[in-house]
Amino acid sequence: KQEVTQIPAALSVPEGENLVLNCSFTDSAIYNLQWFRQDPGKGLTSLLLIQSSQREQTSGRLNASLDKSSGRSTLYIAASQPGDSATYLCAGGTGANNLFFGTGTRLTVIP
Amino acid sequence: DTGVSQNPRHKITKRGQNVTFRCDPISEHNRLYWYRQTLGQGPEFLTYFQNEAQLEKSRLLSDRFSAERPKGSFSTLEIQRTEQGDSAMYLCASSSQGVNTEAFFGQGTRLTVV
Repeated sequence: KQEVTQIPAALSVPEGENLVLNCSFTDSAIYNLQWFRQDPGKGLTSLLLIQSSQREQTSGRLNASLDKSSGRSTLYIAASQPGDSATYLCAGGTGANNLFFGTGTRLTVIP
Repeated sequence: DTGVSQNPRHKITKRGQNVTFRCDPISEHNRLYWYRQTLGQGPEFLTYFQNEAQLEKSRLLSDRFSAERPKGSFSTLEIQRTEQGDSAMYLCASSSQGVNTEAFFGQGTRLTVV
C-alpha cells in the first residue's frame, strides 16, 4: 500500500520568504504526483500535476519537482504572501488515478 | 461548467438516521471518486466510478455505505444507520480518462452525527 508522508506538519514564515514543502512516498510505481491546497473547511484546489515521466512543473510562484527513484517530491513557493496560508497536500496517483494522500503541511505566512 | 458541485455543504444528523449526499462532476469527466477526510488527516479513498460502473471500493466502505452513479452523470453516496464515527468531510472528485489526468475536487459535504 502506498504511504505518503509530508514534513513538516506545520510551518510559519514571514511574508516574502521562499519556502519548500516536502513529500515522500513509499511506492515508486506511481503514475503521477499531484499537489493540492486546502483552506479551512473547504475542498481541495489542484495546484500542480507532475507526470511520472516529468521532473518538475511550474505555475506562477509555484514549482513542484518529482524524483521517483528516491520517492520524493517538493513544492517550492517563491515570495510567499499571506494569501498562501493554507494546508498543502500531496497525493500519489495510481493508474486509475486513485490518489493516496499525505496528512498535509499547514502553512502560515505572517504579514 | 464551474467545476465539481456537492450538496449539501453541511449535514447534521442523529445517530441511526440515513443520509444521502450528491455529487455533480465536471460534465466531460467520465471518472468520479469519493473520498473521506477526518480532522487533521488527508483524504482517504472510498470508491471510484468510470461512467456508471463502480470499479473499485475501499475496505473503508462498510456495508452501511452505498454509492451509485446512474447514467454515468451525477453520483450519490448514502450512509445507512449513521454512527458518530461517520462524522467527516466527504469529498467528491472527477477526472477525464487516462493515467495522467488531473483530479478536480468539490467543496465537500461536512457530516456531523450527533
